[in-house]
Amino acid sequence: QKEVEQNSGPLSVPEGAIASLNCTYSDRVSQSFFWYRQYSGKSPELIMSIYSNGDKEDGRFTAQLNKASQYVSLLIRDSQPSDSATYLCASHNQAGTALIFGKGTTLSVSS
Amino acid sequence: DVKVTQSSRYLVKRTGEKVFLECVQDMDHENMFWYRQDPGLGLRLIYFSYDVKMKEKGDIPEGYSVSREKKERFSLILESASTNQTSMYLCASSLSGRVGGEQFFGPGTRLTVL
Repeated sequence: QKEVEQNSGPLSVPEGAIASLNCTYSDRVSQSFFWYRQYSGKSPELIMSIYSNGDKEDGRFTAQLNKASQYVSLLIRDSQPSDSATYLCASHNQAGTALIFGKGTTLSVSS
Repeated sequence: DVKVTQSSRYLVKRTGEKVFLECVQDMDHENMFWYRQDPGLGLRLIYFSYDVKMKEKGDIPEGYSVSREKKERFSLILESASTNQTSMYLCASSLSGRVGGEQFFGPGTRLTVL
């Protein structure tokens, strides 16, 4: 059974700091990885996708993928209180037809 | 922008009732998915469909069925609701075919079964 693991947190950072969220996955053949943000009581919102080794930047967000070590991370620069949410990591199942989600890391940014 | 809508945000039903949850997407996506989300258990896949009239079981299909008569609409059916089906139900869709792509979620339906 393919698994995606995340530290549940909470991860607490002060406003303006860099928040680092990590995710490991068990299936070496995984090709696609996604980060979702979920506010309390709301549905997940896609914020980043990454398919190749290395970094991918989008505004204050940077996704990092290391396939050799089987981890993917999300860095949030200049963290804001509005970034306080649960962040879900996901990769594809073996058939490539559906996503496997981690249970999420809760981030709290204090002002 | 992709838009995925769900028929209800909140729903209260009684044990034994038949429950229909509807999901509609407006971006011509091939794939559609139903998940439930519970505290401590995360998102769990119930059923998915990669084409009209096609369906495949996810990780927890027991007690549920689905229907996809049109490409844009995917329905989740609880044949006889039970209290352990109280949960947040999330519908999602994605563009790619057999190789999955980015999934976009609807707002969710919080179902309470009394």
